[in-house]
This record gives sequence, structure tokens and C-alpha cells, in this order.
Amino acid sequence: DAKTTQPPSMDCAEGRAANLPCNHSTISGNEYVYWYRQIHSQGPQYIIHGLKNNETNEMASLIITEDRKSSTLILPHATLRDTAVYYCIVSLPERQLTFGSGTQLTVLP
Amino acid sequence: DAGVIQSPRHEVTEMGQEVTLRCKPISGHNSLFWYRQTMMRGLELLIYFNNNVPIDDSGMPEDRFSAKMPNASFSTLKIQPSEPRDSAVYFCASSFSGEYNEQFFGPGTRLTVL
Repeated sequence: DAKTTQPPSMDCAEGRAANLPCNHSTISGNEYVYWYRQIHSQGPQYIIHGLKNNETNEMASLIITEDRKSSTLILPHATLRDTAVYYCIVSLPERQLTFGSGTQLTVLP
Repeated sequence: DAGVIQSPRHEVTEMGQEVTLRCKPISGHNSLFWYRQTMMRGLELLIYFNNNVPIDDSGMPEDRFSAKMPNASFSTLKIQPSEPRDSAVYFCASSFSGEYNEQFFGPGTRLTVL
């Protein structure tokens, strides 16, 4: 599975958009990009995934560059409850997920 | 659905004792995963099952660890004998092994081995 690179930490003001970047320059053509988050003392939570096209659901938007070497998770209106570690994972659909160290997002009041 | 259920939520035991962690996956899911999380090593996959069959146990640290899935609604992770370095949060997750890998995690079991 391709490896990912994420900044270790980011801050975001409450109510503003949080844009979390992820580099995955060695991604292969059939690998998906998955995003999970882990709020303190809880199990990880699935957020969104995509292959080539941009995706949006009730939680977030996922923007994948045309060359698929990087992506951005967007939380459109961050709240204090979005403070968590966000994991970007690249994997084949039938393969297990490998969690890295993620990005600690802190939403500030 | 109640989500993935794990028990106990907290376990404190002494070195050398046997520890059994339990997991009930979401009904209808046919893949089940056991993870371990520590500050030093992060979140690590220990073993996963598909249709109750162990597929990959390469993450199981040593023979002291064993996992079973006797049926689609129950799995156990056993540590015998336990050691202080086994102290961690153990998560169980389940998914439907379809086109994408959306795993649902339980609340975890915090294990402390004294």
C-alpha cells in the first residue's frame, strides 16, 4: 500500500473551513484514498473515501488532485467537536487499512 | 444498530494472568478486525477475519496472543500470559467486505497489565 504524508498538527478557528492536506505520491491506479478521524478516547470513525473524483458527504468533502498524488479533506464549518486526529490512508478496497500518525486538528473557539 | 460492542471497557490485571477481550460486530458485517493502540506504536492491525476465517494474523505480536471467531456475531482476543508491555487500548472493528473499506470501530478496551 502507498504511504501517506500529513502535517502533524493544524489549528482552525471555529466556524471556518478546515483543510487537511495529504500527500500520497506513490499511489497506484486502483488504490483508494480513505479518511478517518479519532476523537480523544474513542475508536476511529470513517469520514469519506474516493478514487479519482471529488467526493462529498454530510461530514466532509474530499478533493483529489488530477494526478492523484495528493488530496485535501475539507470540513466546511469546523466545530469544537471536530477536534481530533485525522488519518489519511491509501489502500486497495479489499486490503486492510494501515494507520499512520495522522494530523492533530485543533479547532479553536 | 448498537454498533460494534466491546467488553470489558476497562481491564486491569496482573502480569501472568490470562486476559480475554470480546467483540460483537455489527450485524450483517462479514469482516472483523482487531487493532492495538499505544502512544509509541500508534494504531496497529493485529488480525482480521473474513466470513469468520482468519485471513491475516501477521500483526499478532507473539504466541501469547490468539484470536477466534466462532460465529459471525462474536470474536475474542486472548492474551496468555499477559505482560506489562501488553498495556494498550484494543479496538475491534467490523465492515462489509464490499468495494470499499469502511470500517466501524468499537469503543475499545483499555487494558492495563501491572
